[in-house]
Amino acid sequence: KAGVTQTPRYLIKTRGQQVTLSCSPISGHRSVSWYQQTPGQGLQFLFEYFSETQRNKGNFPGRFSGRQFSNSRSEMNVSTLELGDSALYLCASSLERGRYGYTFGSGTRLTVV
Amino acid sequence: DAKTTQPNSMESNEEEPVHLPCNHSTISGTDYIHWYRQLPSQGPEYVIHGLTSNVNNRMASLAIAEDRKSSTLILHRATLRDAAVYYCILLAYSGAGSYQLTFGKGTKLSVIP
Repeated sequence: KAGVTQTPRYLIKTRGQQVTLSCSPISGHRSVSWYQQTPGQGLQFLFEYFSETQRNKGNFPGRFSGRQFSNSRSEMNVSTLELGDSALYLCASSLERGRYGYTFGSGTRLTVV
Repeated sequence: DAKTTQPNSMESNEEEPVHLPCNHSTISGTDYIHWYRQLPSQGPEYVIHGLTSNVNNRMASLAIAEDRKSSTLILHRATLRDAAVYYCILLAYSGAGSYQLTFGKGTKLSVIP
């Protein structure tokens, strides 16, 4: 079966712009989480969505937001980009919340210049 | 947040078993123990997870201490493809039915031919 699909794979944006990243979970998976990975901070939790509702959010500024659609696909948005937002953004999906493992996508590499 | 402690790096000879330790002394009763691994330029890959009992799957075994304050990921025969950063993570219940994976630094496993 198809894995978690993230688009685009690579993105270059200018400081001050905004960006939207997309994640299509594995069919049937209803929980979608987003993570940011940087060399300095490692993997950090951004937010989790389940049944179109944000269930939890990590310690990130309000410029980071997301949403989940009825088909479980999810998008995350970063407004007013800063150089420090350059990172690998990873999406992970799970069949249900809590009891199952997570399948990660390959990520979107965002570079802010 | 419950934290995990892992060695920064380990080495193993090819075709020998590997035991990757993880300490999680502040684990709570509802926290699941997850293991993921990550190769360069890829998203994390699910390896195994458990709550209280030892678990086996086609990739690895997870041995959980009786008091749950530590666990060990066992790769039965290391191959060159097992060289990766291995993350021991607690899937913590964070209220209102929400869970999040809290990643540490992980253990970089090198496999020697």
